[in-house]
Amino acid sequence: SQQGEEDPQALSIQEGENATMNCSYKTSINNLQWYRQNSGRGLVHLILIRSNEREKHSGRLRVTLDTSKKSSSLLITASRAADTASYFCATVLNFGNEKLTFGTGTRLTIIP
Amino acid sequence: GAGVSQSPRYKVAKRGQDVALRCDPISGHVSLFWYQQALGQGPEFLTYFQNEAQLDKSGLPSDRFFAERPEGSVSTLKIQRTQQEDSAVYLCASSSLGVGRSNQPQHFGDGTRLSIL
Repeated sequence: SQQGEEDPQALSIQEGENATMNCSYKTSINNLQWYRQNSGRGLVHLILIRSNEREKHSGRLRVTLDTSKKSSSLLITASRAADTASYFCATVLNFGNEKLTFGTGTRLTIIP
Repeated sequence: GAGVSQSPRYKVAKRGQDVALRCDPISGHVSLFWYQQALGQGPEFLTYFQNEAQLDKSGLPSDRFFAERPEGSVSTLKIQRTQQEDSAVYLCASSSLGVGRSNQPQHFGDGTRLSIL
């Protein structure tokens, strides 16, 4: 079963704009990760944020984590056509068994 | 290659046939995971190996699903007496996660798209 939901399910923006995706989850976590998936391909790891961290940056990506609200957001700044993909958040619930529990995903389309 | 390799990329089988899906993880990666992804959904966990030990198989849908990693590297996911609801993309991921190492990303292959007719 899915751990949580992502919002929005689909997002279309103009190239150069910022894209924000949100993820909610249900239980306490060890860490939360964001992955990108291009059509017909596997998932690519973007960023990992631990449960004791509140914000993390990587290039044009910014991730926040609010454990009190059981939610996370992914911000992509200055979007590019190549950012078109599905984005998934995934949680690791327990130290020692790091299977990923995925959300439902956001389909992001960047309009050139 | 340096990435996770899965074969075949596409598999079509008739209902009732057995299938075997292969995963070659990144060399040296201790942990290996299998996930099932239905169309338009996020991946769902099937099973997890640390070296040759299968530590968690709680996600396997039924006893028709069986996974092994006998030498702690290549893994095979076998589905017996396939049914139409088994149609999905099967993803394999490996990681340097292991004893004393946590908070590591998983590296995914491109998956095997299984279609049961």
